[in-house]
Amino acid sequence: GQNIDQPTEMTATEGAIVQINCTYQTSGFNGLFWYQQHAGEAPTFLSYNVLDGLEEKGRFSSFLSRSKGYSYLLLKELQMKDSASYLCVPLDSNYQLIWGAGTKLIIKP
Amino acid sequence: GAVVSQHPSRVICKSGTSVKIECRSLDFQATTMFWYRQFPKKSLMLMATSNEGSKATYEQGVEKDKFLINHASLTLSTLTVTSAHPEDSSFYICSALAGESYNEQFFGPGTRLTVL
Repeated sequence: GQNIDQPTEMTATEGAIVQINCTYQTSGFNGLFWYQQHAGEAPTFLSYNVLDGLEEKGRFSSFLSRSKGYSYLLLKELQMKDSASYLCVPLDSNYQLIWGAGTKLIIKP
Repeated sequence: GAVVSQHPSRVICKSGTSVKIECRSLDFQATTMFWYRQFPKKSLMLMATSNEGSKATYEQGVEKDKFLINHASLTLSTLTVTSAHPEDSSFYICSALAGESYNEQFFGPGTRLTVL
């Protein structure tokens, strides 16, 4: 079956760094997205990885290891507005997005 | 980035009526759009894939006669919830494929449907 495993909830301090880990199992693989979703809003695209390695985009970086079925999202210099859910979403062999429940990130002052 | 809009943002209707939700790609053409449904504190559930000029592909368990999808142009897809019931109350979100390799999804802001 298809499965995504992320922590349900994480807490971090403003200005710090946090890493959200994700392991996945899919029928085929065509890349992995990370989305940010604030409560009551639609998800916002953060990153897309299809090759192994680290992609850096400002304060956010995303890493992928296809052989391990593993990805992480790294958030630096945390701000209060980063409090949101973060969704690790792989793309399967049919180019379908496989959604899990995401990780709720709580930022404290 | 590409912008996707939805209308209306919120709708309240009586049980038994039909509701139409529009999804538009504002600054790009979208041959493929997706319709999702999200229950509170749950992940997004893909309902159907909408391709311009052809019939939508529905996910297993989604009633095609109840959730009518029309993708008549490259910038507009509509979802009509027919004979709505209170259990249809949910957050409906559309998205469109864009980007150089059509591997980026851009989401609309969502439509909150409440059926009384």
